[in-house]
Amino acid sequence: EIVLTQSPGTLSLSPGERATLSCRASQSVSTNYLAWYQQKPGQAPRLLIYGASSRATGIPDRFSGSGSGTDFTLTISRLEPEDFAVYYCQQYGGSSYTFGQGTKLEIK
Amino acid sequence: QLQLQESGSGLVKPSQTLSLTCAVSGDSISSGGHSWSWIRQPPGKGLEWIGYIYHTGTTYYSPSLRSRVTMSVDRSKNQFSLRLNSATAADTAVYYCVRSPQTWLIYFESWGQGSLVTVSS
Repeated sequence: EIVLTQSPGTLSLSPGERATLSCRASQSVSTNYLAWYQQKPGQAPRLLIYGASSRATGIPDRFSGSGSGTDFTLTISRLEPEDFAVYYCQQYGGSSYTFGQGTKLEIK
Repeated sequence: QLQLQESGSGLVKPSQTLSLTCAVSGDSISSGGHSWSWIRQPPGKGLEWIGYIYHTGTTYYSPSLRSRVTMSVDRSKNQFSLRLNSATAADTAVYYCVRSPQTWLIYFESWGQGSLVTVSS
């Protein structure tokens, strides 16, 4: 099973700043099959990125994904107030489908 | 517009079976081309994939839950279901039903609102 480790656990930033979230895999993720989700309190997660770098339908272009192999990054170029939430990465390249533990993005 | 709606037992006694159903609207499970999963999230914690099912009834479960999980599909009602037996307090979670875009691309593009199941006597 591929273990995903997200860092930092909590990221404190201000609106307008740039956010960089990391997701590291315990082994290489096949075909860069990595997705990112955003979850706000009391809501279901929302797909942001799939295939490491492809934005899902309706996702603003301030969200971008990058990386390959074992190291992946979600970047939010300029934070909007609605971007403060918990973010999860998920791999679908292995024989099971695992999530990272999440990064909480909070307002500084 | 695709919609997924979970329903089922909100309170389950320890050692009993947790049962949930996901009603799908805006898409036909019978059309194929997608996989249909269950994911859970204990209160205040992260996400755990439980398993998926195809329109044919073919299933694939998480190794950690395989011994206790059964998923089924009812194409006539356009719904799929989850049963988790021998429930314990550790199974207390919000359970989501979700759709993946392709049968072989198991990321989660559409989610239900979630259903809280509490395991307690």
